[in-house]
Amino acid sequence: ELKVEQNPLFLSMQEGKNYTIYCNYSTTSDRLYWYRQDPGKSLESLFVLLSNGAVKQEGRLMASLDTKARLSTLHITAAVHDLSATYFCAVILYGNKLVFGAGTILRVKS
Amino acid sequence: ETGVTQTPRHLVMGMTNKKSLKCEQHLGHNAMYWYKQSAKKPLELMFVYSLEERVENNSVPSRFSPECPNSSHLFLHLHTLQPEDSALYLCASSQAFSGIYEQYFGPGTRLTVT
Repeated sequence: ELKVEQNPLFLSMQEGKNYTIYCNYSTTSDRLYWYRQDPGKSLESLFVLLSNGAVKQEGRLMASLDTKARLSTLHITAAVHDLSATYFCAVILYGNKLVFGAGTILRVKS
Repeated sequence: ETGVTQTPRHLVMGMTNKKSLKCEQHLGHNAMYWYKQSAKKPLELMFVYSLEERVENNSVPSRFSPECPNSSHLFLHLHTLQPEDSALYLCASSQAFSGIYEQYFGPGTRLTVT
């Protein structure tokens, strides 16, 4: 059974600070996805990481994938309030099946 | 309409009612999904349809019945639900066999069972 663990589950950070969210998974997979969800809204795709060593950046967010360590990170640089949301990682189990982590609730304080 | 749409956005139903949730994708995808999102629980995959054939039924109770009449439409028929079925139901679509499998989500239906 594939398990996907995110930590921390809750993160309160000051504007302007940097932080990293971690996503560990238990079985081999070479595809990992990061999503963002605002309260009461649906999931928005942020990054698709398709190979070992993949790194993608969009604005203040950067995601990376280490398939050997079964670890992905989502790094936040100089956080701003607009980044407050819940962030999910998800891993392909087989075929079309995604297994999601529990989500990290991010609150950026002014 | 663009992306993935879902109707209704909110639904309140009694335990003896029968209702249906509708999902439509405008992305030309060939796989569609139903997920359940409850408070304090990870997103749970319920059903997967690929090329209009159900390929996954994740031990979902029979009071939830999916239907996929074509690659653009997906329904979730609900009957004799329980209060614990109250949740956000999300529909998603993707391009199967693309090697990428990125899923695009609809806005969800907030279901309350009274």
